[in-house]
Parts: sequence; C-alpha cells; structure tokens
Amino acid sequence: AQRVTQPEKLLSVFKGAPVELKCNYSYSGSPELFWYVQYSRQRLQLLLRHISRESIKGFTADLNKGETSFHLKKPFAQEEDSAMYYCALSGLGDSGYSTLTFGKGTMLLVSP
Amino acid sequence: DAGITQSPRHKVTETGTPVTLRCHQTENHRYMYWYRQDPGHGLRLIHYSYGVKDTDKGEVSDGYSVSRSKTEDFLLTLESATSSQTSVYFCAIGPSPGNQPQHFGDGTRLSIL
Repeated sequence: AQRVTQPEKLLSVFKGAPVELKCNYSYSGSPELFWYVQYSRQRLQLLLRHISRESIKGFTADLNKGETSFHLKKPFAQEEDSAMYYCALSGLGDSGYSTLTFGKGTMLLVSP
Repeated sequence: DAGITQSPRHKVTETGTPVTLRCHQTENHRYMYWYRQDPGHGLRLIHYSYGVKDTDKGEVSDGYSVSRSKTEDFLLTLESATSSQTSVYFCAIGPSPGNQPQHFGDGTRLSIL
C-alpha cells in the first residue's frame, strides 16, 4: 500500500526566512510525486512534480529515494506563500490503475 | 484553469436524504476522480472512473456510489446522507494516470444536519 506522510500540520515562519515542508512516502515501486497548493478557499493547483525538476514560484523539491522523501523548499518565504500544501504520490493500486494518495497537508503561514 | 465545473457549490441537507453532486468537464479527459477533504485527513479518494461506465472504489467509498454515462460527466451520489459525510468534495480530471497531474474543480461544500 502507498502512503504519504507530512509530519507538520502547521509551519509558521517570518517573511524572508527559508521554508522546508517535509514529505515522506512509502511505496514499493517507482513513485511519481507531486506537490499541490491550495490558497484560501480556492481549488487545488499543481505546484510542481518531481519528473519535471522545475522551480515554480521559487519552490523546489528533490526526490530522495534513499530517504524516501520529497521535501519542498524555498529559500525566502513571501506572505503570498501562505496556503495549504499537499504532497501526493501516484502509484498503482489494487485495480491496476494509478491513483493519487495525498498526505494530510501542511498549512504554511508566513508573517510579515 | 482546466474546464471543470462542480455543482452545486454549496448544499445543506438533512440526514437520510439522497444527494447527488455533479462534475462536468470540457477537456475530454478519460480519468475522473472524486475526493473528500476533511481537516486532519487531507484529501481521500472516494471513487474514480477510467472511462465511460468504468468506475472503481477508492479509499473511502462506503456510503457513496458513482456513475459515468458520458465522458464529460461524473456523478457522486450519497444514497442516504449521514452527518459523517459533511465535507468538502472535490472532483479532479486527468488525461492519464501516473506521471500526469490531475486538475481539480472548485469543490462542493456539503453540510448534513
């Protein structure tokens, strides 16, 4: 079974501070990992995915298969980064089709 | 934004009544999903569809049924709503599973009294 763990429910930082949102996963195969963001009362949006290795809004995430982690990082947090962040893993389920398994989310609050 | 419309956006109903939520897409994607979002639980998959009339259960399917009679519509039904089904429900679509991301609708806030 696939599982995603986000250990922090809430992360509170000051503007300009570095941010690291932790994500660990459990999956027997080769995982596809994503970070989604949900701003207040909005729909979930894809932030980035490990396969593209891109930086979106200053955020990066590196897949570490040895530590089974996919932590999200940003060197200098901005107030507009305040949102709920979800780590998600795409893996094969019992049906033979891939489905997304989400972590419970981390709320990031950036104070001025 | 991907063309996904959820209806209704908000609904209040009573325990024991049937409720149907609709997800409509204009992207012609094969895969459609229903999730519920609850504090402390994140998003959990209820049911998904991999084609017209092809559906399967997710992690929290008890008390829910789905139907997909055409590509663009995916319906979620609560046959007899219970207070534990009070939640925000999100529909998502995707061209294919695996490394392709899913795109989400705006959500339906459902309250069962």
